[in-house]
Order: sequence, then structure tokens, then C-alpha cells
Amino acid sequence: AQSVAQPEDQVNVAEGNPLTVKCTYSVSGNPYLFWYVQYPNRGLQFLLKYITGDNLVKGSYGFEAEFNKSQTSFHLKKPSALVSDSALYFCAAKGGSYIPTFGRGTSLIVHP
Amino acid sequence: EAQVTQNPRYLITVTGKKLTVTCSQNMNHEYMSWYRQDPGLGLRQIYYSMNVEVTDKGDVPEGYKVSRKEKRNFPLILESPSPNQTSLYFCASSLGADFMETQYFGPGTRLLVL
Repeated sequence: AQSVAQPEDQVNVAEGNPLTVKCTYSVSGNPYLFWYVQYPNRGLQFLLKYITGDNLVKGSYGFEAEFNKSQTSFHLKKPSALVSDSALYFCAAKGGSYIPTFGRGTSLIVHP
Repeated sequence: EAQVTQNPRYLITVTGKKLTVTCSQNMNHEYMSWYRQDPGLGLRQIYYSMNVEVTDKGDVPEGYKVSRKEKRNFPLILESPSPNQTSLYFCASSLGADFMETQYFGPGTRLLVL
């Protein structure tokens, strides 16, 4: 069975500092990995995805994620956080199934 | 503007009263799906549809029905809602069902079943 773990319910970071939101996964076969962001009262918005190729994936709003096959991780990163980055972030994975599995979500709070 | 729309956005109902949440996309996407979002559980897929007249169960289909008579619409039906179906519901669509496809989400429908 597929699973996605986001070990932190909340991440706090000061504006201007680098941020990392962690994600580990367990899927059969090659993983297809996604990050989405959800702002209050909005649906999920796609940030980036890893299908194959370069382990460092760049996405929207300056975010990037690093695929690490040996650690089965796909952590989301940004070099310099903005207050406007404060939102709920979801990691998702697909393996050999049409049904994606989402993590529980991590609330990112960026302090001024 | 490319988008996924859902109606209603907010709904309060009582146990047993049938309801339908509509979902429509204007991107000519083949694949559509419904999710529920609950605190601490993330998103869980209820049903998905690969194309017109093709639907299948997701992870949590009990108590829900769907139909896909037209490509753009994918309504979610609760024949006899119960309080444990109180949740935030999202419709999503993507070009195809391929594993690499990005899903586009609607704004959500917050449902309270009393």
C-alpha cells in the first residue's frame, strides 16, 4: 500500500530564512511525487512534481524539492521564506496506482 | 480562465437528506476525481473517473455516488448523508490519468451534516 508521511504538523521560520518541509513516501515501483499548497479557503494549487530525471526539481514561487531515492524522501525547500508563503503544504505520491496518496499536510508559518 | 468550479461552497444539511455537490471543469480534462479533507488525515480520494461513463472507487467510497454523463461534469451524490460525512470536499481534474499528470483543484465545498 502507498503511504506518504509529513512528520511535522507545523513548521515555523523567520522571514528571509531558508525553509524545509519534509516528506517521505512508500510506493511500489517508480514514484511520481508532487507538492501542493493550500491557502485559507482555497483549493490546492500545484507547486512542483518529480517524474524522472534531475533530483532537484524547481517549481512555482521559488520553491524547489529534492528527490532522494535512498531515503525515499522528497523535501520541499525555499532559500528565503516570505510571510506570504504561510499556508498548508501537501506532499502526494503515486506508484503503480491511479489513486494518489496525500500526506496529512504541514502548516508553514513564516514570521515577519 | 481555466478552472474547476464547485457548488455549493458551503452546505448545512440534516442526516438522511439527499444532496448533490456539482463539479465542472472547462479544460476538456478526461480525468476527474473527488476528495475529502479531514484534519490530521490529509486528502483521501472518494471516487475518480477516467472518462465519460467510466468511474471507479477511490480509498473511501462508502456512502457516496458519482456519475460522469458529460466530460465536463462530475457530481458527487450523498444519498443519505450522515454526520461522519461532515468534511471539506474537493473536486479535481487532470488531462489524463497518467501518473505524471498534474491535478487542478476546485475551491472546495464545506459540508456539515447534523
